[in-house]
Amino acid sequence: AQSVTQLGSHVSVSEGALVLLRCNYSSSVPPYLFWYVQYPNQGLQLLLKYTSAATLVKGINGFEAEFKKSETSFHLTKPSAHMRDAAEYFCAVSANQAGTALIFGKGTTLSVSS
Amino acid sequence: DAGVIQSPRHEVTEMGQEVTLRCKPISGHNSLFWYRQTMMRGLELLIYFNNNVPIDDSGMPEDRFSAKMPNASFSTLKIQPSEPRDSAVYFCASSSGLGTGELFFGEGSRLTVL
Repeated sequence: AQSVTQLGSHVSVSEGALVLLRCNYSSSVPPYLFWYVQYPNQGLQLLLKYTSAATLVKGINGFEAEFKKSETSFHLTKPSAHMRDAAEYFCAVSANQAGTALIFGKGTTLSVSS
Repeated sequence: DAGVIQSPRHEVTEMGQEVTLRCKPISGHNSLFWYRQTMMRGLELLIYFNNNVPIDDSGMPEDRFSAKMPNASFSTLKIQPSEPRDSAVYFCASSSGLGTGELFFGEGSRLTVL
């Protein structure tokens, strides 16, 4: 079985500051890991994904995440926050098999102040 | 290409009424997922289909909920009778069943049961 835990339901940063959103996973098989972003009143869109290739994954909008098996973590970072990054972010895990469901964390709301 | 299309976008109904939510997956995708999003529980997987066959419906909360996928281009999620606690945003997502299992989400159906 798979699960994810997102540490911190709400993160606030200033514009230009580092963004760090934490995600730890549990999986009985080598996992696929994902980060999705949700803007208000919209569906979820993929930021980036880890699929057992490179452990450092780059995504859209300047975000990246590093898979650390020893720490069972997949934290999301961005060097410099923009106001437009304010949204809700979800970490998700699935078994490394296409056609299986993603299990999502509870989400972290990112606020960016000027 | 068109994304996942859900209808209605908003539904307000009274307790006891039947609610039907509809989803058209991305053409060529053979996996379809229904999720429910609430403040309290976050994103919960309700049911998913591979090649129109239900694979896992363990997330369906009660017998009042049912889902069908009569063909590759259409799915419904039905609640009968509806209750106020069913108020949520219901998302449909699809994936190609190949590669890394990335899910593509619709914009959601916001259900309010009075």
